[in-house]
Amino acid sequence: GQNIDQPTEMTATEGAIVQINCTYQTSGFNGLFWYQQHAGEAPTFLSYNVLDGLEEKGRFSSFLSRSKGYSYLLLKELQMKDSASYLCAVRDLDNYGQNFVFGPGTRLSVLP
Amino acid sequence: DAMVIQNPRYQVTQFGKPVTLSCSQTLNHNVMYWYQQKSSQAPKLLFHYYDKDFNNEADTPDNFQSRRPNTSFCFLDIRSPGLGDAAMYLCATSRGQGAMNEQFFGPGTRLTVL
Repeated sequence: GQNIDQPTEMTATEGAIVQINCTYQTSGFNGLFWYQQHAGEAPTFLSYNVLDGLEEKGRFSSFLSRSKGYSYLLLKELQMKDSASYLCAVRDLDNYGQNFVFGPGTRLSVLP
Repeated sequence: DAMVIQNPRYQVTQFGKPVTLSCSQTLNHNVMYWYQQKSSQAPKLLFHYYDKDFNNEADTPDNFQSRRPNTSFCFLDIRSPGLGDAAMYLCATSRGQGAMNEQFFGPGTRLTVL
């Protein structure tokens, strides 16, 4: 089966650092994606990992360990506008690698 | 700007009355997807097209159909909407099959069933 887990909610303070974890069990693996979704809006792409290690993009970094089925998204220097849901999605190998499986999302609240 | 467009943004239909949601893209991407997202839940993949090849998820209800008449357009038809079909419907595209091909999402159509 396919299963992706994320914490349901997190709260952090403006200017702080927060780490959002994602664990996955999928039938195949062809990359892990992080998306940001503000309430009532479409998801927007943040980062992508296919090899183990850390990928850094400005204030956002994402880490992957394929052997552990684990990823995290690190947000630095939090801003109020970072309050959103963060979705972890795994691309598996079914359907010629077109099957994306999304986690339930983590709702992050950034407080002043 | 190249983008994914969904119309309408808000759609109201009656129980059992067929409805069609539209998606178009100017990205010239090969793959198009339809997702259903209910409140506070993850997007759930309904279908995807790689070019004209249609792929239906195993648990997508028969009530949902899709058409892709050309590269730019894709439609989601709900033949007999039920109250449980009220949700946000997201269209997305990706360039192709390579691993690093992220999805670009449209703004979504929020469907209300009365």
